[in-house]
Amino acid sequence: GQQVQQSPASLVLQEGENAELQCNFSSTATRLQWFYQHPGGRLVSLFYNPSGTKHTGRLTSTTVTNERRSSLHISSSQTTDSGTYFCAIDRMDSNYQLIWGSGTKLIIKP
Amino acid sequence: EAAVTQSPRNKVAVTGGKVTLSCNQTNNHNNMYWYRQDTGHGLRLIHYSYGAGSTEKGDIPDGYKASRPSQENFSLILELATPSQTSVYFCASGHRDWDNQDTQYFGPGTRLLVL
Repeated sequence: GQQVQQSPASLVLQEGENAELQCNFSSTATRLQWFYQHPGGRLVSLFYNPSGTKHTGRLTSTTVTNERRSSLHISSSQTTDSGTYFCAIDRMDSNYQLIWGSGTKLIIKP
Repeated sequence: EAAVTQSPRNKVAVTGGKVTLSCNQTNNHNNMYWYRQDTGHGLRLIHYSYGAGSTEKGDIPDGYKASRPSQENFSLILELATPSQTSVYFCASGHRDWDNQDTQYFGPGTRLLVL
């Protein structure tokens, strides 16, 4: 079945460093999304990025669909970026369901 | 901003007991979802719904039932709770954007402990 793998599983950086998170998926995805989970548990959508590059603030998502990979780049990291980042892709047999990766836990130290 | 609320936020249940987790959304989204999240896993889909009166099985439906009595409300029911169902449960509602993106908005989660 479709799978989503994220790396690294965890990442510890000093404030100001850049972070690079990777997502690889096992089949061509028509919808790839990045989500952020606050340390307290709240989940929010960051990017819908099925292909190409998208920016918002210090975050950049790049998806190369034919290579089945996506990355999330966080520049000049801040302590408030700490949390867990998930990527998810659509299911081939459903337009409404997502398959989720296991996440990358990011810790930014002051 | 979409508003999705869950109740209770925390629940302790006994093995064999019945547990009902409730979810309410105020944005008229057709789609609603129940996920569970365990350490080392991403979110796993339990049940989902396309609208009032509909429920569909997700990836891990065993031991769970769902009910969608209205557009706003979607409940997850554990008829006979087991310790393996100890987890954090998230509800989400969703709709299709103009660019075909299925945006999901999440509730704050419910921590369930089954003793």
